[in-house]
Amino acid sequence: GAVVSQHPSWVICKSGTSVKIECRSLDFQATTMFWYRQFPKQSLMLMATSNEGSKATYEQGVEKDKFLINHASLTLSTLTVTSAHPEDSSFYICSAQNGRGYNEQFFGPGTRLTVL
Amino acid sequence: GQQVMQIPQYQHVQEGEDFTTYCNSSTTLSNIQWYKQRPGGHPVFLIQLVKSGEVKKQKRLTFQFGEAKKNSSLHITATQTTDVGTYFCAGEFYGQNFVFGPGTRLSVLP
Repeated sequence: GAVVSQHPSWVICKSGTSVKIECRSLDFQATTMFWYRQFPKQSLMLMATSNEGSKATYEQGVEKDKFLINHASLTLSTLTVTSAHPEDSSFYICSAQNGRGYNEQFFGPGTRLTVL
Repeated sequence: GQQVMQIPQYQHVQEGEDFTTYCNSSTTLSNIQWYKQRPGGHPVFLIQLVKSGEVKKQKRLTFQFGEAKKNSSLHITATQTTDVGTYFCAGEFYGQNFVFGPGTRLSVLP
């Protein structure tokens, strides 16, 4: 149980276009979902925290208008990278909590974004 | 903002040797979690420590939470090639989200 999926697993786009990444909790309802960015061989940088039906809480330094987060349901959150530029190329990974037990984060497999 | 530090950044060991990674916070934590990320994979939850001085074991892995709840350690006895990966600690500060440490990348030479 506690599986989180992400789609797409990788995407290549041209500079200036927008890219949407989906994060789904497949077998549980996620009370909270998180979006991270991870650079090669580096740690997880929290971008934002989202709860279903409410606005996402962004970490300091993360542009809200560039990284749009929509938490439409208890099983789905989306991250849209608007007007992507090469510096946005990264590994984006989401996680979800089910509010039970240790309340640990279940991570998705990640999405590799390459902006040309 | 709150920060969680981890040392070492990298560790190369011969198979069979022990390995330890340390996690430190300047502020008291409500609890701490440990995750493992295999190369090319995503982080997977290992354990959570809540109580001051708590020690938990999972086979060859021993996790400790400091008395002051500001530091933690993960010790692996007799490493195996399957232990390869990056180990992250994530500290929860009271009333806030978890903050991940920078991770310790473990390489195990056969």
